Amino acid sequence: SAVISQKPSRDICQRGTSLTIQCQVDSQVTMMFWYRQQPGQSLTLIATANQGSEATYESGFVIDKFPISRPNLTFSTLTVSNMSPEDSSIYLCSVLRDRDMFFGSGTQLSVL
Amino acid sequence: GNSVTQMEGPVTLSEEAFLTINCTYTATGYPSLFWYVQYPGEGLQLLLKATKADDKGSNKGFEATYRKETTSFHLEKGSVQVSDSAVYFCALSDFTSGYSTLTFGKGTMLLVSP
Repeated sequence: SAVISQKPSRDICQRGTSLTIQCQVDSQVTMMFWYRQQPGQSLTLIATANQGSEATYESGFVIDKFPISRPNLTFSTLTVSNMSPEDSSIYLCSVLRDRDMFFGSGTQLSVL
Repeated sequence: GNSVTQMEGPVTLSEEAFLTINCTYTATGYPSLFWYVQYPGEGLQLLLKATKADDKGSNKGFEATYRKETTSFHLEKGSVQVSDSAVYFCALSDFTSGYSTLTFGKGTMLLVSP
């Protein structure tokens, strides 16, 4: 398994501001992923973050809005930039280990 | 492309009732199939998985069988408990790109009353 610590667990933000979400894994992993779960919806992959390279974004997501850092093999951050109420969602990081995907506890973001 | 369809919720049951949550999928190749559970206010936890046809995944009294002929992976439990109340997500992954990305169903909320 994998132990994933995600911070903050929740936040309430004003529109136009930015929030950075941190994800820490208990041991090194090659691939980390960021997902969004909009209210009442399933999970949508935002991007894949590999250490030492630019993140790969899925259709509909862009780096200017969701910049990602991956400075080492146990840590990643996702920033939600210039927030609007439509960004209110749960954001989850996940890691791939031994062909299984493990998830952090999520960050519940509300934008006013 | 890949897709997962699972039954709409909420599913409302009394304690000790039998549970079935239906899940069907569309995929190229031979995906692995998963059930994840999300308890209120928490992230997703891997509940069980199956990696090839006719495999049965099981955990905590839940089980699901990978049925290639019907492209299904239905979740079952013989006797549910109040503590099983959660949202259940069916998902598939394939490794055609060299790494796994998950495709999720929309989730099914289960509510179990005493």
